[in-house]
Amino acid sequence: QQQVKQSPQSLIVQKGGISIINCAYENTAFDYFPWYQQFPGKGPALLIAIRPDVSEKKEGRFTISFNKSAKQFSLHIMDSQPGDSATYFCAAQNGRAVWNDMRFGAGTRLTVKP
Amino acid sequence: DTGVSQDPRHKITKRGQNVTFRCDPISEHNRLYWYRQTLGQGPEFLTYFQNEAQLEKSRLLSDRFSAERPKGSFSTLEIQRTEQGDSAMYLCASSPSSDRRKNSPLHFGNGTRLTVT
Repeated sequence: QQQVKQSPQSLIVQKGGISIINCAYENTAFDYFPWYQQFPGKGPALLIAIRPDVSEKKEGRFTISFNKSAKQFSLHIMDSQPGDSATYFCAAQNGRAVWNDMRFGAGTRLTVKP
Repeated sequence: DTGVSQDPRHKITKRGQNVTFRCDPISEHNRLYWYRQTLGQGPEFLTYFQNEAQLEKSRLLSDRFSAERPKGSFSTLEIQRTEQGDSAMYLCASSPSSDRRKNSPLHFGNGTRLTVT
């Protein structure tokens, strides 16, 4: 069963535009929400992460917005660049689980057109 | 930081053959994970090691799959009697933690792409 639902499946944005990817979760035990970026032929790489005690976290052009009551979080990429073209995965982790249970969304394939 | 290393990068095998993949985690990381990723999907958890102990296994890990982490260093994932449905990217990840209640991000390798013909 998919514990983290991600949308859209694919996204095309013009250079300089804003890319927005949304995720939703059900398990309230999740307490850490990272985003990963994956290029073809590579493993996922951590991009930015947030904990549920804050509603927003910004690192450069990347911002996570978190809505605990709605159990939703989103990634905003400002001033999107062609080099941002990649697949993005949201994830949710239960730090209290023995194995730090981390579940991933199905991914969003972002294409930034020059 | 040399990162998580996986070998081989690609493996093509015939149905029914056995295959083994290797993962070398970041040296100071005591947690090691195996995930499977199919086309158009996110990584799916397979199994978890804390040091040399295998503490968690997913229902996705059938009896044909076995993983080891001798001495808490590198890990191997073996698939016996491969099936076409085993074709996927097998990802290894590691993370540091001495406190099981502390969140820590996973650091992934570049994966082993398995094709079963």
